[in-house]
Amino acid sequence: EVQLVESGGGLVQPGRSLRLSCAASGFTFDDYAMHWVRQSPGKGLEWVSGISWNGGSIAYADSVKGRFTISRDNAKNSLYLQMNSLRAEDTAFYYCAKDAGRGSGTYYNAASWGQGTLVTVSS
Amino acid sequence: QVVLTQSPSASASLGASVKLTCTLSSGHRSYTIAWHQQQPEKGPRYLMKVNSDGSNIKGDGIPDRFSGSSSGAERYLTISSLQSEDEADYYCQTWGTGYWVFGGGTKLTVL
Repeated sequence: EVQLVESGGGLVQPGRSLRLSCAASGFTFDDYAMHWVRQSPGKGLEWVSGISWNGGSIAYADSVKGRFTISRDNAKNSLYLQMNSLRAEDTAFYYCAKDAGRGSGTYYNAASWGQGTLVTVSS
Repeated sequence: QVVLTQSPSASASLGASVKLTCTLSSGHRSYTIAWHQQQPEKGPRYLMKVNSDGSNIKGDGIPDRFSGSSSGAERYLTISSLQSEDEADYYCQTWGTGYWVFGGGTKLTVL
């Protein structure tokens, strides 16, 4: 059974940094692209960033480009999101999601999701 | 960039059927989409992928009550024999090189 468990969320002041982690199990982690998707309270899903199976291809939403950095450690079956210069509008649940493909070239659909971790940016 | 449009809300009675719609923007009517369900206070769950010809591939453990279809730029999710646990938000998604895109979601109320 695929399991994705996010951690690292919390309350942080505007302008500060936070690092999210996602521990993956139940599948061959380095066969798949991985993504971060966020959801502001009461709002819809917003794609944040994706990374290919080997980390060789990375993409970001315009809203986080230059501030957030996605990475992965295939030896540890883990996905990360380094979030710098946080803003109030970054307040959201952050979900880790498994792609249906390797992410070399095109992405495919989200095939599995975690339960999310809440990031609150406030002074 | 492709845009996915969903009605904000839908409702249907317990035991009835409901058809949710996701509309692809102009020039993107051949795209495959995926449907995801998000029950209250939970993370999303993948339901199925729907191709432009209406063929679809469901996720593991998704009941037969859930089915997908297509017509032109529209992709549909039909839920039959509605149950109380089907009350949730439903999102469509598509993808490409370097992006994922989600529709705004449809909140389904089971009466």
